[in-house]
Amino acid sequence: GQNIDQPTEMTATEGAIVQINCTYQTSGFNGLFWYQQHAGEAPTFLSYNVLDGLEEKGRFSSFLSRSKGYSYLLLKELQMKDSASYLCACMDSNYQLIWGAGTKLIIKP
Amino acid sequence: DAEITQSPRHKITETGRQVTLACHQTWNHNNMFWYRQDLGHGLRLIHYSYGVQDTNKGEVSDGYSVSRSNTEDLPLTLESAASSQTSVYFCAISSGRDPDTQYFGPGTRLTVL
Repeated sequence: GQNIDQPTEMTATEGAIVQINCTYQTSGFNGLFWYQQHAGEAPTFLSYNVLDGLEEKGRFSSFLSRSKGYSYLLLKELQMKDSASYLCACMDSNYQLIWGAGTKLIIKP
Repeated sequence: DAEITQSPRHKITETGRQVTLACHQTWNHNNMFWYRQDLGHGLRLIHYSYGVQDTNKGEVSDGYSVSRSNTEDLPLTLESAASSQTSVYFCAISSGRDPDTQYFGPGTRLTVL
């Protein structure tokens, strides 16, 4: 079966760095997406990886290892507004997105 | 500006009633999706469409239907609402061009009593 695993909840301190991991098992692979979702709001697109390696976008970076079925989202210089859920999603061989349950990130001052 | 809208934003209904949730987009994208989101679960695909007159079942399609008569709209109908369908419903769109990122509407919170 298809499965996406990510931690349910993480806590970090304002100004610090946090890494949110995601492991996946899907039938085929056509890319991995990260989304941010604030409470009561819609998911918003953060990043996309299809090749191995690191993609950097300002304070956020996303890494992919296809051989290990593994990705992480790295958030630097954490701000209170980064408190949100972070959703990992894989696009399978049918170009359907398979979603993880999300990681709730709590930022403490 | 192009946008994705959903209506209503909140809805309370009774078991057994038919309910229709609207999704309207002005991006002129061919691909439209309906998801439900429940605590402890990832987003789950209900139905999707790749263009006018095209509809497909997703992972959790039982009790739901969609129709696509134009590019802009994909209404989601709950034929006979059940308490298990209490959820937050999101509509999403994508262009169909690589990497085919999905963009979400604001969501509809549905409560079935």
